[in-house]
Amino acid sequence: NAGVTQTPKFQVLKTGQSMTLQCAQDMNHEYMSWYRQDPGMGLRLIHYSVGAGITDQGEVPNGYNVSRSTTEDFPLRLLSAAPSQTSVYFCASSTRRNQPQHFGDGTRLSIL
Amino acid sequence: AQSVSQHNHHVILSEAASLELGCNYSYGGTVNLFWYVQYPGQHLQLLLKYFSGDPLVKGIKGFEAEFIKSKFSFNLRKPSVQWSDTAEYFCAVNGRDTGRRALTFGSGTRLQVQP
Repeated sequence: NAGVTQTPKFQVLKTGQSMTLQCAQDMNHEYMSWYRQDPGMGLRLIHYSVGAGITDQGEVPNGYNVSRSTTEDFPLRLLSAAPSQTSVYFCASSTRRNQPQHFGDGTRLSIL
Repeated sequence: AQSVSQHNHHVILSEAASLELGCNYSYGGTVNLFWYVQYPGQHLQLLLKYFSGDPLVKGIKGFEAEFIKSKFSFNLRKPSVQWSDTAEYFCAVNGRDTGRRALTFGSGTRLQVQP
């Protein structure tokens, strides 16, 4: 039982490049979400999903896309990377919205 | 909208000192409350949660938190900290009638315990 798996762990991009951060969970959780963590700002919700085929925006969705074609996977896409997107990204899942969330190990992303 | 304030950004304690980290939330309805801990280089882990019932909640590793509804607070406490408690602590709130959104986190408190 791996829990929530995020890949890659580290990534450096140039401004304007695109990439996809992968997130997979093997707990059959319906609820999945993406956060970014920046110093002094805690975790801010980017996008979330209440089940396969259903996604919605969080607090800071601009510049990011998500899709949820299966229960297990919830990739986060950066369309055109900007230095302001340098951050640590965490994926999380839970059985329902108001239940404790299980977090992945994070992806540290640097945009040059 | 819901929001969370953690007023202590950086706390330094000696081992065996008592700990209290403040957390205040802003939300008019019923809430679920959480404390998460992030050890250096690791992901967030759940310390404790409050959904309903006894407002004094006990979590792992000797931590506890008290929900005071009248003060919109959910402060985290530990009677005697250890060096291994060095970590960042996040308070989070989830309003039960906020639609489909998930947790709102505070900005975090970095705890440094000196041996």
